[in-house]
Amino acid sequence: QSALTQPPSVSGSPGQSVTISCTGTSSDVGSYNRVSWYQQPPGTAPKLMIYEVSNRPSGVPDRFSGSKSGNTASLTISGLQAEDEADYYCSSYTSTNTLVFGGGTKLTVL
Amino acid sequence: EVHLVESGGGLVQPGGSLRLSCAASGFAFDDYAMHWVRQAPGKGLEWVSGISWNSGTRDYADSVKGRFTISRDDAKNSLYLQMNSLRAEDTALYYCAKDREGYNRGQLDYWGQGNLVTVSS
Repeated sequence: QSALTQPPSVSGSPGQSVTISCTGTSSDVGSYNRVSWYQQPPGTAPKLMIYEVSNRPSGVPDRFSGSKSGNTASLTISGLQAEDEADYYCSSYTSTNTLVFGGGTKLTVL
Repeated sequence: EVHLVESGGGLVQPGGSLRLSCAASGFAFDDYAMHWVRQAPGKGLEWVSGISWNSGTRDYADSVKGRFTISRDDAKNSLYLQMNSLRAEDTALYYCAKDREGYNRGQLDYWGQGNLVTVSS
Protein backbone atom coordinates (compact mmCIF):
# COMPACT_ATOMS: atom_id res chain seq x y z
CA GLN A 1 0.00 0.00 0.00
CA SER A 2 2.55 2.60 -1.02
CA ALA A 3 1.25 6.15 -1.24
CA LEU A 4 0.59 7.66 -4.63
CA THR A 5 3.25 10.18 -5.71
CA GLN A 6 2.38 13.86 -5.87
CA PRO A 7 4.66 16.92 -6.10
CA PRO A 8 5.03 18.51 -2.65
CA SER A 9 4.14 21.96 -3.94
CA VAL A 10 2.93 23.92 -6.94
CA SER A 11 2.23 27.59 -7.40
CA GLY A 12 0.62 29.98 -9.83
CA SER A 13 -0.61 33.51 -10.19
CA PRO A 14 -4.28 34.47 -10.21
CA GLY A 15 -5.86 33.67 -13.56
CA GLN A 16 -3.21 31.12 -14.51
CA SER A 17 -3.62 27.35 -14.73
CA VAL A 18 -1.82 24.75 -12.66
CA THR A 19 -1.70 20.97 -12.95
CA ILE A 20 -1.02 18.53 -10.13
CA SER A 21 0.10 15.02 -11.03
CA CYS A 22 -0.59 11.82 -9.15
CA THR A 23 1.40 8.72 -10.07
CA GLY A 24 0.47 5.24 -8.97
CA THR A 25 0.85 1.74 -10.33
CA SER A 26 -0.99 -0.81 -12.42
CA SER A 27 -2.57 -2.04 -9.17
CA ASP A 28 -4.37 1.21 -8.50
CA VAL A 29 -4.51 4.30 -10.76
CA GLY A 30 -3.63 2.30 -13.87
CA SER A 31 -6.40 -0.26 -13.43
CA TYR A 32 -9.34 1.65 -11.99
CA ASN A 33 -11.26 4.80 -12.82
CA ARG A 34 -12.07 5.38 -9.14
CA VAL A 35 -9.54 8.18 -8.81
CA SER A 36 -10.59 11.13 -6.67
CA TRP A 37 -9.18 14.53 -5.76
CA TYR A 38 -9.72 16.34 -2.46
CA GLN A 39 -9.14 19.95 -1.43
CA GLN A 40 -8.15 20.70 2.17
CA PRO A 41 -7.67 24.32 3.26
CA PRO A 42 -5.74 24.67 6.54
CA GLY A 43 -7.66 23.54 9.60
CA THR A 44 -10.61 22.10 7.68
CA ALA A 45 -11.84 18.68 6.60
CA PRO A 46 -11.12 17.45 3.07
CA LYS A 47 -13.66 18.22 0.35
CA LEU A 48 -14.28 16.03 -2.70
CA MET A 49 -13.49 17.98 -5.87
CA ILE A 50 -13.25 15.24 -8.53
CA TYR A 51 -14.44 11.61 -8.57
CA GLU A 52 -14.13 8.83 -11.14
CA VAL A 53 -11.11 10.58 -12.69
CA SER A 54 -12.97 13.52 -14.22
CA ASN A 55 -16.42 14.01 -12.67
CA ARG A 56 -17.24 17.06 -10.56
CA PRO A 57 -19.69 16.87 -7.65
CA SER A 58 -22.47 19.43 -7.64
CA GLY A 59 -21.18 22.84 -6.56
CA VAL A 60 -17.56 22.38 -7.63
CA PRO A 61 -16.58 25.03 -10.19
CA ASP A 62 -15.81 23.85 -13.73
CA ARG A 63 -12.37 25.45 -13.33
CA PHE A 64 -11.45 22.12 -11.74
CA SER A 65 -10.90 19.22 -14.12
CA GLY A 66 -9.35 15.78 -13.91
CA SER A 67 -7.81 13.32 -16.33
CA LYS A 68 -5.80 10.10 -16.41
CA SER A 69 -3.20 8.51 -18.66
CA GLY A 70 -1.78 5.14 -17.76
CA ASN A 71 -0.67 5.12 -14.13
CA THR A 72 -0.83 8.91 -13.74
CA ALA A 73 -3.84 11.04 -12.93
CA SER A 74 -3.89 14.83 -13.08
CA LEU A 75 -5.89 17.68 -11.58
CA THR A 76 -5.95 20.96 -13.48
CA ILE A 77 -7.19 24.19 -11.97
CA SER A 78 -7.73 26.93 -14.50
CA GLY A 79 -8.39 30.60 -13.81
CA LEU A 80 -6.62 30.30 -10.47
CA GLN A 81 -8.19 32.21 -7.58
CA ALA A 82 -6.88 33.11 -4.13
CA GLU A 83 -9.51 30.84 -2.55
CA ASP A 84 -7.99 27.83 -4.33
CA GLU A 85 -4.95 27.96 -2.03
CA ALA A 86 -5.03 24.66 -0.12
CA ASP A 87 -3.55 21.18 0.11
CA TYR A 88 -4.73 18.78 -2.59
CA TYR A 89 -4.78 15.01 -2.30
CA CYS A 90 -5.43 12.35 -4.88
CA SER A 91 -6.69 8.89 -4.05
CA SER A 92 -7.33 5.63 -5.84
CA TYR A 93 -9.17 2.40 -5.24
CA THR A 94 -6.74 -0.53 -5.35
CA SER A 95 -6.67 -4.18 -6.39
CA THR A 96 -6.73 -5.27 -2.73
CA ASN A 97 -10.04 -3.46 -2.11
CA THR A 98 -8.30 -0.70 -0.18
CA LEU A 99 -7.88 3.02 -0.75
CA VAL A 100 -4.56 4.77 -1.17
CA PHE A 101 -3.90 8.51 -0.95
CA GLY A 102 -1.16 10.62 -2.42
CA GLY A 103 1.23 12.48 -0.13
CA GLY A 104 -0.50 15.79 -0.84
CA THR A 105 0.40 18.91 -2.80
CA LYS A 106 0.41 22.41 -1.35
CA LEU A 107 -0.97 24.91 -3.84
CA THR A 108 0.20 28.49 -3.36
CA VAL A 109 -1.53 31.32 -5.20
CA LEU A 110 1.11 34.01 -5.69
CA GLU B 1 -27.98 18.21 4.50
CA VAL B 2 -25.44 15.51 5.27
CA HIS B 3 -23.81 15.62 8.70
CA LEU B 4 -21.12 13.35 10.11
CA VAL B 5 -20.06 13.90 13.72
CA GLU B 6 -17.21 11.93 15.27
CA SER B 7 -16.75 11.36 19.00
CA GLY B 8 -14.85 9.16 21.42
CA GLY B 9 -11.31 10.38 20.89
CA GLY B 10 -8.89 11.51 23.57
CA LEU B 11 -5.64 10.69 25.29
CA VAL B 12 -4.75 7.01 25.77
CA GLN B 13 -1.60 5.21 26.85
CA PRO B 14 0.35 2.96 24.47
CA GLY B 15 -1.22 -0.47 24.42
CA GLY B 16 -4.60 0.91 25.38
CA SER B 17 -7.95 0.89 23.59
CA LEU B 18 -10.43 3.46 22.35
CA ARG B 19 -13.73 3.33 20.46
CA LEU B 20 -14.59 6.06 17.99
CA SER B 21 -18.17 6.74 16.94
CA CYS B 22 -19.60 8.63 14.00
CA ALA B 23 -23.21 9.81 14.02
CA ALA B 24 -24.64 10.26 10.52
CA SER B 25 -27.68 12.21 9.36
CA GLY B 26 -29.18 13.70 6.21
CA PHE B 27 -28.90 10.64 3.96
CA ALA B 28 -29.94 6.97 3.74
CA PHE B 29 -27.10 5.67 5.90
CA ASP B 30 -27.80 1.99 5.20
CA ASP B 31 -27.33 2.47 1.43
CA TYR B 32 -23.70 3.55 1.53
CA ALA B 33 -20.25 2.29 2.42
CA MET B 34 -18.46 4.25 5.16
CA HIS B 35 -14.80 4.83 5.91
CA TRP B 36 -12.32 6.03 8.52
CA VAL B 37 -9.42 8.18 7.35
CA ARG B 38 -6.75 9.64 9.63
CA GLN B 39 -4.30 12.51 9.47
CA ALA B 40 -1.31 12.68 11.78
CA PRO B 41 -0.36 16.20 12.92
CA GLY B 42 1.18 18.08 9.99
CA LYS B 43 0.99 15.02 7.73
CA GLY B 44 -1.14 13.76 4.85
CA LEU B 45 -4.27 11.67 4.69
CA GLU B 46 -4.12 7.93 5.41
CA TRP B 47 -7.04 5.59 4.75
CA VAL B 48 -7.70 3.35 7.76
CA SER B 49 -10.73 1.19 7.07
CA GLY B 50 -13.95 0.85 5.09
CA ILE B 51 -17.21 -1.08 5.52
CA SER B 52 -19.80 -1.85 2.86
CA TRP B 53 -23.47 -0.95 3.09
CA ASN B 54 -24.45 -4.38 4.45
CA SER B 55 -21.32 -4.92 6.61
CA GLY B 56 -20.47 -7.80 4.28
CA THR B 57 -17.10 -6.32 3.38
CA ARG B 58 -14.70 -4.80 5.89
CA ASP B 59 -11.28 -3.71 4.70
CA TYR B 60 -8.26 -2.39 6.57
CA ALA B 61 -4.93 -0.71 5.93
CA ASP B 62 -1.98 -2.98 6.69
CA SER B 63 -0.91 -0.57 9.43
CA VAL B 64 -4.03 -1.30 11.53
CA LYS B 65 -5.03 -4.82 10.45
CA GLY B 66 -5.52 -7.09 13.44
CA ARG B 67 -5.72 -4.15 15.87
CA PHE B 68 -8.68 -2.08 14.61
CA THR B 69 -12.25 -3.22 13.90
CA ILE B 70 -14.81 -1.26 11.90
CA SER B 71 -18.54 -1.77 12.42
CA ARG B 72 -21.85 -0.03 11.82
CA ASP B 73 -25.31 0.08 13.39
CA ASP B 74 -27.81 1.06 10.72
CA ALA B 75 -30.63 1.34 13.28
CA LYS B 76 -28.63 4.09 14.98
CA ASN B 77 -27.15 5.60 11.79
CA SER B 78 -23.76 5.15 13.37
CA LEU B 79 -20.27 4.02 12.37
CA TYR B 80 -17.66 2.78 14.82
CA LEU B 81 -13.95 2.09 15.00
CA GLN B 82 -12.68 -0.10 17.83
CA MET B 83 -8.97 0.58 18.26
CA ASN B 84 -6.87 -1.84 20.35
CA SER B 85 -3.14 -2.14 21.06
CA LEU B 86 -2.72 1.54 20.28
CA ARG B 87 0.71 2.85 19.37
CA ALA B 88 2.26 6.32 19.33
CA GLU B 89 2.07 6.28 15.52
CA ASP B 90 -1.73 5.99 15.71
CA THR B 91 -1.86 9.57 17.01
CA ALA B 92 -3.95 11.48 14.49
CA LEU B 93 -7.15 13.29 13.68
CA TYR B 94 -9.63 10.58 12.69
CA TYR B 95 -12.24 11.44 10.05
CA CYS B 96 -15.45 9.58 9.32
CA ALA B 97 -16.36 9.72 5.63
CA LYS B 98 -19.21 8.57 3.39
CA ASP B 99 -18.59 6.68 0.15
CA ARG B 100 -20.52 7.55 -3.01
CA GLU B 101 -21.34 3.88 -3.46
CA GLY B 102 -22.61 0.96 -1.40
CA TYR B 103 -19.35 -0.94 -1.63
CA ASN B 104 -15.88 0.24 -0.68
CA ARG B 105 -14.82 2.15 -3.78
CA GLY B 106 -13.06 4.96 -1.96
CA GLN B 107 -14.75 8.02 -3.38
CA LEU B 108 -15.59 9.98 -0.28
CA ASP B 109 -18.17 12.69 -0.86
CA TYR B 110 -18.82 13.81 2.73
CA TRP B 111 -16.48 14.08 5.68
CA GLY B 112 -16.87 14.81 9.37
CA GLN B 113 -14.77 17.42 11.14
CA GLY B 114 -12.53 14.83 12.73
CA ASN B 115 -11.79 13.61 16.25
CA LEU B 116 -8.32 13.68 17.79
CA VAL B 117 -6.72 10.53 19.17
CA THR B 118 -3.46 10.97 21.10
CA VAL B 119 -1.45 7.93 22.14
CA SER B 120 1.11 8.88 24.75
CA SER B 121 2.33 7.92 28.20
